[in-house]
Amino acid sequence: DTEVTQTPKHLVMGMTNKKSLKCEQHMGHRAMYWYKQKAKKPPELMFVYSYEKLSINESVPSRFSPECPNSSLLNLHLHALQPEDSALYLCASSQDHNQPQHFGDGTRLSIL
Amino acid sequence: GDSVTQMEGPVTLSEEAFLTINCTYTATGYPSLFWYVQYPGEGLQLLLKATKADDKGSNKGFEATYRKETTSFHLEKGSVQVSDSAVYFCALSGQGAQKLVFGQGTRLTINP
Repeated sequence: DTEVTQTPKHLVMGMTNKKSLKCEQHMGHRAMYWYKQKAKKPPELMFVYSYEKLSINESVPSRFSPECPNSSLLNLHLHALQPEDSALYLCASSQDHNQPQHFGDGTRLSIL
Repeated sequence: GDSVTQMEGPVTLSEEAFLTINCTYTATGYPSLFWYVQYPGEGLQLLLKATKADDKGSNKGFEATYRKETTSFHLEKGSVQVSDSAVYFCALSGQGAQKLVFGQGTRLTINP
């Protein structure tokens, strides 16, 4: 069982929809991450939050908007996505940087 | 910049065979090194880690030794099982860095 919980597990949305992905951890970790993973590829880092502040944005398009409401929660707001945004979106957390990251099982996103 | 190179897959072995998946890295200073495993339909799970030269990480029969002289962190297992079929990612976290650098992943299939 993963200690990082992501919801929903699957999401299908049209290009004009607005939806949100959610991630939750109760391990007291202070760093949280969003990754995008395409089939047969490694995860690509999108955003890093450190102590609830955005510390890294890997030049992600503005149609992806992260939010960290508190130290246990991380959201990814989606708006006007493109078909090429279809992928597995993974959330991870770690005690601090340089510590091992713990991953959720991801949200599989399909854009119609 | 930092980088990780893994042996290309896919790798197919018979049950009880010996496994080696090669991983070499390029980084300044003293990175931490990790092996993650991804089973079908799941997120990444930390398999093992090593934080300094000559450290040996081990878990579930898998081992890897941090070799600074050869900048390598090869994954080994003496006798693989069908349940070891998965994708394996080698990764590093540079000193003071806030993100993981992944290799391309190696898909492993174990036949009964």
